[in-house]
Amino acid sequence: GAGVSQTPSNKVTEKGKYVELRCDPISGHTALYWYRQSLGQGPEFLIYFQGTGAADDSGLPNDRFFAVRPEGSVSTLKIQRTERGDSAVYLCASSLTGSNYGYTFGSGTRLTVV
Amino acid sequence: GQQLNQSPQSMFIQEGEDVSMNCTSSSIFNTWLWYKQDPGEGPVLLIALYKAGELTSNGRLTAQFGITRKDSFLNISASIPSDVGIYFCAGQLDGGSQGNLIFGKGTKLSVKP
Repeated sequence: GAGVSQTPSNKVTEKGKYVELRCDPISGHTALYWYRQSLGQGPEFLIYFQGTGAADDSGLPNDRFFAVRPEGSVSTLKIQRTERGDSAVYLCASSLTGSNYGYTFGSGTRLTVV
Repeated sequence: GQQLNQSPQSMFIQEGEDVSMNCTSSSIFNTWLWYKQDPGEGPVLLIALYKAGELTSNGRLTAQFGITRKDSFLNISASIPSDVGIYFCAGQLDGGSQGNLIFGKGTKLSVKP
């Protein structure tokens, strides 16, 4: 597609539930990034994929968070046993390679845990 | 974790005025980037800086990579109403992963016609 597509755009879930957030990068972009943005804050790095592998997952806050990119294109961010503190906008970005900063961000998924 | 101190937090200016905002850190950065974010959208890259001392312009925007590699500023000249939004600085730490950017907390710009 023309841009980075994230679905759903909004997700409301109950505390303790499992959620999956999807990111469709720009076609041909080998690098994919997940960030989390809380209200009034800048984006916070979670994980970076180069192809199918996670090149840097140091930003994942704990083992409830996991992300995959099995075919080197679409990525899914998975959150288990959601907590109210997980509420934020989850942003995905992609770039042609991991060595340039021409990130294109998607519009994000707003996750609300009630 | 590492932090970028971005200031001011917000600005309310008259159309046509010039704007200046900056980011500082106690750590050394290899790259400085400036983004703009509109409500409900992801950040959009405005300017990228890769060398200490580098001064780069993009239309009415000018940004500089500080010589100490610990700071950067963004200037907007002759502001217009569509400049409204939140501006973020971001950087890659010296020795950090290429995919891992650290963002400031943003400067919210409001422009009065």
